[in-house]
Amino acid sequence: EPEVTQTPSHQVTQMGQEVILRCVPISNHLYFYWYRQILGQKVEFLVSFYNNEISEKSEIFDDQFSVERPDGSNFTLKIRSTKLEDSAMYFCASSSGWDHRNSPLHFGNGTRLTVT
Amino acid sequence: GENVEQHPSTLSVQEGDSAVIKCTYSDSASNYFPWYKQELGKGPQLIIDIRSNVGEKKDQRIAVTLNKTAKHFSLHITETQPEDSAVYFCAALTVGNNRLAFGKGNQVVVIP
Repeated sequence: EPEVTQTPSHQVTQMGQEVILRCVPISNHLYFYWYRQILGQKVEFLVSFYNNEISEKSEIFDDQFSVERPDGSNFTLKIRSTKLEDSAMYFCASSSGWDHRNSPLHFGNGTRLTVT
Repeated sequence: GENVEQHPSTLSVQEGDSAVIKCTYSDSASNYFPWYKQELGKGPQLIIDIRSNVGEKKDQRIAVTLNKTAKHFSLHITETQPEDSAVYFCAALTVGNNRLAFGKGNQVVVIP
């Protein structure tokens, strides 16, 4: 079964550094997402992306965050200047359609980001 | 926005017994409720979902029930097996919105 793959599985970075989290969505999917889960808290929506542009973003997704689809397969999340509170598990997801009722989300295994 | 709460946070059951996890939601406009299972080191995987026009849905040993009046929905796992041990997340989707609101997750431990 096709999978969403994320790299790296664990990233340690120093506060203030830039970090790029990488994802390869399922190949025939058109909608891409980033969610995150801070330890002990809920999984939170960050951003959705379709047709090479952001379709929706949450209040968490401020100017420090950006997403890009640099080629036909990768989908990246960049955090420009990491803060301690950015430490979390970041999940990439993709779906074949916009409506989750008909096109469920498929999640990757996550990247654990630790900011020291 | 939508707020989803899950209870209990941890649940231990003997193998063969049933497990029930309950979630409540706040937005009466929510109309889609998926359940995800997350095994250690993996991402959440959809296991079952229910739409607001249905009260119950079953798939082999798992079932989900929805009470729209009370704004809660539950996951039922019967004849639990060790491989059912995982974190289970409930979520809700509101009409006109394409972001899932998740609960905190429940750790289910099946004791052999």
